[in-house]
Amino acid sequence: SQKIEQNSEALNIQEGKTATLTCNYTNYSPAYLQWYRQDPGRGPVFLLLIRENEKEKRKERLKVTFDTTLKQSLFHITASQPADSATYLCAPPSVANSGYALNFGKGTSLLVTP
Amino acid sequence: NAGVTQTPKFRVLKTGQSMTLLCAQDMNHEYMYWYRQDPGMGLRLIHYSVGEGTTAKGEVPDGYNVSRLKKQNFLLGLESAAPSQTSVYFCASSDGTSGGPTDTQYFGPGTRLTVL
Repeated sequence: SQKIEQNSEALNIQEGKTATLTCNYTNYSPAYLQWYRQDPGRGPVFLLLIRENEKEKRKERLKVTFDTTLKQSLFHITASQPADSATYLCAPPSVANSGYALNFGKGTSLLVTP
Repeated sequence: NAGVTQTPKFRVLKTGQSMTLLCAQDMNHEYMYWYRQDPGMGLRLIHYSVGEGTTAKGEVPDGYNVSRLKKQNFLLGLESAAPSQTSVYFCASSDGTSGGPTDTQYFGPGTRLTVL
């Protein structure tokens, strides 16, 4: 069955540094992948979508890469700020639900300290 | 635009009681989803709907039922609550123009349910 792995350990970085979060998937090859941000006590919020033929996508300080050979997506936040502290979820499409739904990873918690 | 709203925000039930969680969206979206989120488990899909009058099972449907009688509403029912259903429940919607996977999902604020 399809499996999505995100770093289970929290990532602590200093303000101004670049944060890099990893999403690995196995047993299938999604054609696209979404990234969401979730703050404590709130629902996830969409950030970026990347397609397999895009390799890299940028939005302001955010950058996502998609390596179909490594079966991995990397999520980068440059010049990180304390306000970037949150949990970040990767979500490729779910094979099990006829492609209608997303399969969310467990998320990686990011803490940016001043 | 209120987006996606969920009612109630918090609820405490006793084992065996029933309840219905209401999700409403005002974006005219075709697709709606119910997830549960537990510590260490991430978001898991319970049921989803690709249009008014349709529903389908997700990853963890047992113990839950859903209905989509109106396009803007998606109800999640627990007929006989169990402590294992203690969780945070999120509803989401998407416009469905791409058939699902590339559509942005818009989430509600969640319902925190405790079953004693």
